[in-house]
Amino acid sequence: SQQGEEDPQALSIQEGENATMNCSYKTSINNLQWYRQNSGRGLVHLILIRSNEREKHSGRLRVTLDTSKKSSSLLITASRAADTASYFCATVPNDYKLSFGAGTTVTVRA
Amino acid sequence: GAGVSQSPSNKVTEKGKDVELRCDPISGHTALYWYRQSLGQGLEFLIYFQGNSAPDKSGLPSDRFSAERTGGSVSTLTIQRTQQEDSAVYLCASSLKTDFYGYTFGSGTRLTVV
Repeated sequence: SQQGEEDPQALSIQEGENATMNCSYKTSINNLQWYRQNSGRGLVHLILIRSNEREKHSGRLRVTLDTSKKSSSLLITASRAADTASYFCATVPNDYKLSFGAGTTVTVRA
Repeated sequence: GAGVSQSPSNKVTEKGKDVELRCDPISGHTALYWYRQSLGQGLEFLIYFQGNSAPDKSGLPSDRFSAERTGGSVSTLTIQRTQQEDSAVYLCASSLKTDFYGYTFGSGTRLTVV
């Protein structure tokens, strides 16, 4: 069963705008990860945030984690056409079974 | 190798035939997952190998699916008597340690059952 659920399912923005997507999960976690998938093939790991962290940055990416609300957000700043992809959150509960949500499809318009 | 390698990249098979999908993880990675992704859908967990522990097979959809990991390295996912609903992209991922690192995914095998 899926642990994480992303919101929105789809997002369309203009190049240069910021994109924000959210992930909610159900059980306690060890860490939460965000992945990007282009063209329906392999996923690329973007960022990992541990359960005792609240915010993490990597380049134009900013991830927050609120364990009390069991939610996380991914912000992509100054979006580019190359950011067009599907984005997935994945949770790692204490049993280490990586579980993915259904993903958010982001389209960046030139 | 430098990444997770999956073969074949694409496989078209007739309904009822058996198929074998191969995953070659990054050397030294102890954790290995198989996922299945149907068109436009999220990732469905299939099976998880961690070191020498017994694999977690709780995601395998039926007894037609099986997987093994030889010598803690290469893994093979076998689907017997394939059905059309087995058509999907099968993704393999490996990781050095699950609580500090993300997973490295292969490019997947696109299986089409006709």
